[in-house]
Amino acid sequence: KAGVTQTPRYLIKTRGQQVTLSCSPISGHRSVSWYQQTPGQGLQFLFEYFSETQRNKGNFPGRFSGRQFSNSRSEMNVSTLELGDSALYLCASSLALFYEQYFGPGTRLTVT
Amino acid sequence: GIQVEQSPPDLILQEGANSTLRCNFSDSVNNLQWFHQNPWGQLINLFYIPSGTKQNGRLSATTVATERYSLLYISSSQTTDSGVYFCAVETYNTDKLIFGTGTRLQVFP
Repeated sequence: KAGVTQTPRYLIKTRGQQVTLSCSPISGHRSVSWYQQTPGQGLQFLFEYFSETQRNKGNFPGRFSGRQFSNSRSEMNVSTLELGDSALYLCASSLALFYEQYFGPGTRLTVT
Repeated sequence: GIQVEQSPPDLILQEGANSTLRCNFSDSVNNLQWFHQNPWGQLINLFYIPSGTKQNGRLSATTVATERYSLLYISSSQTTDSGVYFCAVETYNTDKLIFGTGTRLQVFP
């Protein structure tokens, strides 16, 4: 069974631009979560989607948004990029709520 | 909110040594996972262990839910064990994985 995939793997953007990251969960998994990892803040929860509904959202500004499609694939969008948005963005999928989460390889975003 | 503390923050070992990593948490959990993050950033699942004991090769883990801690044991360490080990917990209140700050392990030949 294929694992969680994320595209693109690396991205360089300029301040003020927007970016869309994609995550394809493990087949059959309906829950997708997103996390941001930075050296200063560690791993922080962004949001979780289950059956196309956002169930939970972390403490991030409204510039960070996401959605989930009927095939469970998910996208997250960051608008008006800031230097501090440079981070590793990780996506995780699980069969259902409170089940074991499996992570993708991440998208490394650099904002210049 | 729930606090997750990992110790030690750094660990340096020689190949073949054994080690114990600890994760303390401040509330009852319904999900606890241990991960190994490799140098490329990939989080690799080690254990899903909200309670009890599990073993997988040279690694084993024990969670004592009533006392709110979990231990990860690495025996006969190898250089490929190097990386950062994270404990993450989830409760019905938080409804999301909360990560500890990690233990950075370096294994030298």
